[in-house]
Amino acid sequence: AQSVTQLGSHVSVSEGALVLLRCNYSSSVPPYLFWYVQYPNQGLQLLLKYTSAATLVKGINGFEAEFKKSETSFHLTKPSAHMSDAAEYFCAANAGGTSYGKLTFGQGTILTVHP
Amino acid sequence: DVKVTQSSRYLVKRTGEKVFLECVQDMDHENMFWYRQDPGLGLRLIYFSYDVKMKEKGDIPEGYSVSREKKERFSLILESASTNQTSMYLCAIVDRADYGYTFGSGTRLTVV
Repeated sequence: AQSVTQLGSHVSVSEGALVLLRCNYSSSVPPYLFWYVQYPNQGLQLLLKYTSAATLVKGINGFEAEFKKSETSFHLTKPSAHMSDAAEYFCAANAGGTSYGKLTFGQGTILTVHP
Repeated sequence: DVKVTQSSRYLVKRTGEKVFLECVQDMDHENMFWYRQDPGLGLRLIYFSYDVKMKEKGDIPEGYSVSREKKERFSLILESASTNQTSMYLCAIVDRADYGYTFGSGTRLTVV
């Protein structure tokens, strides 16, 4: 069964610092990969997605992620954190094929941004 | 853009009650999903449906059932609510073109 692992349930950075949120997946076939963000008391919204085109994917709010097949990773980065980036972030994978679009989610990473 | 509406934002129910959570989409998407979200566990798939009257179990279906009589509506049913079903419940649909989900705003259910 496919699994998604997010390393670090909590990440804390200073405003202006680099944000790095880690995600690894297990799949024999490169899946579709996603990052979602959930702001406090809100639903999840799509941040970016990898669907087998360019390996470096740019998303909203200055975030980007790089698909590395050799490392089975899809880490999320942002060069300079902003206070408004404080939220919970979820990595997810879809095996494609006949899985009806089912997503497997990681455990989530709460990002805290200090002034 | 597609809209996914969950009828209740907050619910409080008693142990043993039968609970219905409703999800409605305003497009013609076939695939609809119910997840529960718990701290430290991420989102876990309860059930999904790929067409009217068609359903499949997800990873944690015990204690739940679903109903999909019309394409736009997918209901999650807690047959006999228990305190360990206190959670945030999220409905989602998928756009087959890119397999990205659109989520509803969620229902936070408390079972007392």
